[in-house]
Amino acid sequence: NAGVTQTPKFRILKIGQSMTLQCAQDMNHNYMYWYRQDPGMGLKLIYYSVGAGITDKGEVPNGYNVSRSTTEDFPLRLELAAPSQTSVYFCASSYSMAGASTDTQYFGPGTRLTVL
Amino acid sequence: DAKTTQPPSMDCAEGRAANLPCNHSTISGNEYVYWYRQIHSQGPQYIIHGLKNNETNEMASLIITEDRKSSTLILPHATLRDTAVYYCIGANLFFGTGTRLTVIP
Repeated sequence: NAGVTQTPKFRILKIGQSMTLQCAQDMNHNYMYWYRQDPGMGLKLIYYSVGAGITDKGEVPNGYNVSRSTTEDFPLRLELAAPSQTSVYFCASSYSMAGASTDTQYFGPGTRLTVL
Repeated sequence: DAKTTQPPSMDCAEGRAANLPCNHSTISGNEYVYWYRQIHSQGPQYIIHGLKNNETNEMASLIITEDRKSSTLILPHATLRDTAVYYCIGANLFFGTGTRLTVIP
């Protein structure tokens, strides 16, 4: 059981470039989440998904897009990278909706993104 | 939805109990309180959660006040490896800035 995996671990982008952060889980979890964490700050929810084909916005969705074509994968797309998107990005998953049940979130190791 | 507030930092001597408070005065009646911790820049790790009753597992204990407006995470015998940022969150998945616990040798 690999749990939640994220690729790449590190990435440097130039302003205006695009990229996709990959996230996969092998625990057959229905719910998946994307967070960003700026230096010295807590995590902020970007998007989440309650199952294949269903996504919804979190606290800070602007500048990002997501899709969920399979249960296992939940990629995060940055279309026009900006310096304000420099952050560490964490993906998480849970069987049911975290916070509204006894279920908990499992987090990936994160992707450190720098936009110059 | 509850937003939680926590002290920004705390110190604890190695081997002593670490008591980390969290205020969640706007929590609703059926909303769980969760605790996670983040060591260095790793992904957060689940510790414990509770609704009304006190809870204990192999990592920690959670004491929730009767009015559910606050809770305390207790690490009974803190070790150096418990140095981390501890987050208390509710159903809205708002992590806040957490409490940075430093365990001192």
